[in-house]
Amino acid sequence: EAQVTQNPRYLITVTGKKLTVTCSQNMNHEYMSWYRQDPGLGLRQIYYSMNVEVTDKGDVPEGYKVSRKEKRNFPLILESPSPNQTSLYFCASSKGTAVGYGYTFGSGTRLTVV
Amino acid sequence: GENVEQHPSTLSVQEGDSAVIKCTYSDSASNYFPWYKQELGKGPQLIIDIRSNVGEKKDQRIAVTLNKTAKHFSLHITETQPEDSAVYFCAASNTGFQKLVFGTGTRLLVSP
Repeated sequence: EAQVTQNPRYLITVTGKKLTVTCSQNMNHEYMSWYRQDPGLGLRQIYYSMNVEVTDKGDVPEGYKVSRKEKRNFPLILESPSPNQTSLYFCASSKGTAVGYGYTFGSGTRLTVV
Repeated sequence: GENVEQHPSTLSVQEGDSAVIKCTYSDSASNYFPWYKQELGKGPQLIIDIRSNVGEKKDQRIAVTLNKTAKHFSLHITETQPEDSAVYFCAASNTGFQKLVFGTGTRLLVSP
């Protein structure tokens, strides 16, 4: 089944403890992206990647890192999490830029930082 | 940068009625406008999209219209069904959808 897989689904951590949220897609997509979803704010882009070793900042990159060493994987790294990073995170991937391709989203990771 | 406003934030309709969700965007260079549906506990799913060289697109019961002059676009759902109940997001981009800016979402409730 074509899908974007994120792990973990739920995570509670403490301030300052480094964590990684993994994302993997099995569709051979070039484009991948991370979003965070907060009530009343919709989805805001954190980072995106157009190919292996090509990444760029989205609208809210502060406090996050990403890497794209392989086409299928795009992990999100929080070096020193803070409570304001408590949110619902989505990874997404896409085949291309033509109309109808769009992003396929994962099921989300709910992160709580205490 | 781009800013997308979406209205209403909640919309309740009776089954069989039509529903309309409206979005406005700020960047006149934006040229790609997708709509996503998010069901409870799931990630958003693309339901329809349109580029700025097209004024209207229809897919069965859903349609999107675009007014470039006024910089607004709308989602129209006809003959609504309970399974249409979800949160709907509009988005806009001028660099291809890699850098999409989303609206704040509309919670649609369709009552039987």
